[in-house]
Amino acid sequence: KQEVTQIPAALSVPEGENLVLNCSFTDSAIYNLQWFRQDPGKGLTSLLLIQSSQREQTSGRLNASLDKSSGRSTLYIAASQPGDSATYLCAVRLGGQGGSEKLVFGKGTKLTVNP
Amino acid sequence: EAGVVQSPRYKIIEKKQPVAFWCNPISGHNTLYWYRQNLGQGPELLIRYENEEAVDDSQLPKDRFSAERLKGVDSTLKIQPAELGDSAVYLCASSLGGVGGYTFGSGTRLTVV
Repeated sequence: KQEVTQIPAALSVPEGENLVLNCSFTDSAIYNLQWFRQDPGKGLTSLLLIQSSQREQTSGRLNASLDKSSGRSTLYIAASQPGDSATYLCAVRLGGQGGSEKLVFGKGTKLTVNP
Repeated sequence: EAGVVQSPRYKIIEKKQPVAFWCNPISGHNTLYWYRQNLGQGPELLIRYENEEAVDDSQLPKDRFSAERLKGVDSTLKIQPAELGDSAVYLCASSLGGVGGYTFGSGTRLTVV
């Protein structure tokens, strides 16, 4: 059974710091990995999608890496801002067309960026 | 492009009452999912549709939950009767299938009192 773990569970940093969020998964047979952002009381916003054949993806101040063989991904946020405060969720996609295709999520990292 | 649309955003009901959630996926996305997110947890899959067919409902508590996706577009998730433990955020998502990414709606926050 695939399990996804995110460390740390919560993180508080001063504005301007660079930070790294960690995600690990137990089964390397994944199709892709997706990082989401969730603001309080809101749905999930997709940040980055990394296919299993890729090593990293970048969008603005965000960079996500994937090491499938070791079951790890990191989300790097450069020059953090108070607006980055949210919960960040990592999810791995199992299966493909048909079969038991679904996302398996970690519990998230709650990030607070202090002005 | 319009995103995944869900309604209502919030719902408060008494236990044993019925409740229904509605989802309109992104146009052209054949795959639709319903996930449930308990407080402090990641979302978990309830049911997945390919067009109008429910291809994975193994995690759906069928004694009280039901879902439908008529004409392979909009979907409705129903709970009858609701229990206190059903309080959660219900999220709808859609994708093109294959190895594409998921797009989630804003969710419906259900409180059962």
